[in-house]
Amino acid sequence: NAGVTQTPKFRVLKTGQSMTLLCAQDMNHEYMYWYRQDPGMGLRLIHYSVGEGTTAKGEVPDGYNVSRLKKQNFLLGLESAAPSQTSVYFCASSYSGGQTGNQPQHFGDGTRLSIL
Amino acid sequence: GENVEQHPSTLSVQEGDSAVIKCTYSDSASNYFPWYKQELGKRPQLIIDIRSNVGEKKDQRIAVTLNKTAKHFSLHITETQPEDSAVYFCAASLATFGKGTHLIIQP
Repeated sequence: NAGVTQTPKFRVLKTGQSMTLLCAQDMNHEYMYWYRQDPGMGLRLIHYSVGEGTTAKGEVPDGYNVSRLKKQNFLLGLESAAPSQTSVYFCASSYSGGQTGNQPQHFGDGTRLSIL
Repeated sequence: GENVEQHPSTLSVQEGDSAVIKCTYSDSASNYFPWYKQELGKRPQLIIDIRSNVGEKKDQRIAVTLNKTAKHFSLHITETQPEDSAVYFCAASLATFGKGTHLIIQP
């Protein structure tokens, strides 16, 4: 099993450009998440999904859009990149847990994104 | 929504000593509290977790304690080793993380 795979690993964009980050998981997890990690700020939730075809906003959703057309994939889009979106982006997935409650998250290796 | 506070932001201990990291949370409905370790340039990885029906859990040199009344939980690492140097994150609720603790093990 590859686990959680993020594409690309690095990217440099110019202000105003758009791009899509891809997250793929092969563990049949229901839940998927996108975070950004900035120095001293920890992991902040951008958007998440509790199942195919569903998405919800997290703590810092502005400037980002997401889609979950297939259970195994969760896409994060930046329509018009801004320097403030320079960050390391992590995708994660987890089982829903059902009656046992929340489950551990499995993270990808991250995407380092720089906006000039 | 949930709010998680984590302290300290940096912790330096001598090799072989114990380290304690503390987190508080705001939502009394939260029932799952994982801890993740992130080495430099790597992904966060789960090291231990605890559910609200348990007060303490141990795994070799690592333990977590939970006080639901006070809404705080702590990570305890005993007999620290150089490979314990990393950033540690606590979390509560679905996906609310603390800001992290940089643990430094001094030789």
